[in-house]
Amino acid sequence: GAGVSQSPSNKVTEKGKDVELRCDPISGHTALYWYRQRLGQGLEFLIYFQGNSAPDKSGLPSDRFSAERTGESVSTLTIQRTQQEDSAVYLCASSSRGGGNYNEQFFGPGTRLTVL
Amino acid sequence: AQSVTQLDSQVPVFEEAPVELRCNYSSSVSVYLFWYVQYPNQGLQLLLKYLSGSTLVESINGFEAEFNKSQTSFHLRKPSVHISDTAEYFCAVLPYNQGGKLIFGQGTELSVKP
Repeated sequence: GAGVSQSPSNKVTEKGKDVELRCDPISGHTALYWYRQRLGQGLEFLIYFQGNSAPDKSGLPSDRFSAERTGESVSTLTIQRTQQEDSAVYLCASSSRGGGNYNEQFFGPGTRLTVL
Repeated sequence: AQSVTQLDSQVPVFEEAPVELRCNYSSSVSVYLFWYVQYPNQGLQLLLKYLSGSTLVESINGFEAEFNKSQTSFHLRKPSVHISDTAEYFCAVLPYNQGGKLIFGQGTELSVKP
């Protein structure tokens, strides 16, 4: 079946504007993750959704960042009043189940965000 | 808290030479260990993983990694690299029972030259 998809693939915006990034997980995957990859750095965890449980927002860097998920499907990451340091590749991943036991995370191609 | 350190940001190597990409981690709880690979202009893919059992794990394309608990390391090796192995490699840990969020190292760019 189809993998994780993300849109847009590239987004260029001006400082101070809001942006929305979309993630479509693999069908049937209940867990969804957002990560950020800044230039020359590893991936940083942002937020995690598992079914109907409250999301783990512990990785969000500021209150300008928020994310929503509709049931067990699409997720949207919103960045308000973008800053230049928000420039990064934003990666989404999904897995069949989160929690303590291991379930492989499958990554999308990412959205490259450039804030001018 | 957990952290992952990849000691080399760039590793240039000639084709058919051996390579080792180093990874050390720090964690107060038990973790699963992973290597991910990101080929140019492609998404992140799982290369291999250690969950339990034998401390030596292998991938289908000739890479292997060994979990060393006493040294808290999970170095990645390949005895003979190919041009097609050129990519960025990320080491990651997944703490037990903490919701599934991966903690990544900074990445190592492997560049294989003819």
